[in-house]
Amino acid sequence: AQSVTQPDIHITVSEGASLELRCNYSYGATPYLFWYVQSPGQGLQLLLKYFSGDTLVQGIKGFEAEFKRSQSSFNLRKPSVHWSDAAEYFCAVGAWQAGTALIFGKGTTLSVSS
Amino acid sequence: DSGVTQTPKHLITATGQRVTLRCSPRSGDLSVYWYQQSLDQGLQFLIQYYNGEERAKGNILERFSAQQFPDLHSELNLSSLELGDSALYFCASSVVSGRANTEAFFGQGTRLTVV
Repeated sequence: AQSVTQPDIHITVSEGASLELRCNYSYGATPYLFWYVQSPGQGLQLLLKYFSGDTLVQGIKGFEAEFKRSQSSFNLRKPSVHWSDAAEYFCAVGAWQAGTALIFGKGTTLSVSS
Repeated sequence: DSGVTQTPKHLITATGQRVTLRCSPRSGDLSVYWYQQSLDQGLQFLIQYYNGEERAKGNILERFSAQQFPDLHSELNLSSLELGDSALYFCASSVVSGRANTEAFFGQGTRLTVV
């Protein structure tokens, strides 16, 4: 079955500390992988995506993610967290075939402490 | 601003009623997706349309239906509403370049409250 698992429901990080949000996927086809962020009351904004090539991808707001095929993982990282990063983060997987829908994980809520 | 417009932003209605949610995709995007976000289920894919045709179905109830019109806007119809249908409903659109998929851009969502 196709699925995305985000093992951490809620994470609290001190401002300025590093962050890693975990994502594991199960997908029968070659996966396209995404991280989205949702601020309270807002829609989902794309942080970064992986289609092919370099397995370390850079995104907006200083985020990066690394695709590890052997571990079926696509973890999101940021070296130094800012208070404005507090939000809910969603990992998603899709297929290469045109127009297929994304499957989302249940999300990880990030709180940033001062 | 993602370029995807959803109306209305908020909707409060009574059980048993029917509502219509509207979505205008980004200019040029042929694919429209509908998702339901609730606290217990997370983000659930409901249905996808591509250039006016239904392309894929997810966890969409029989009481729900959707369509995509020639101008590519889409509507999600929810009928015989129940309290459990209260959720945030997102529309997303994506461009389909040749055979390759691309990321989906999400609207701000419609918050539906059934009382």
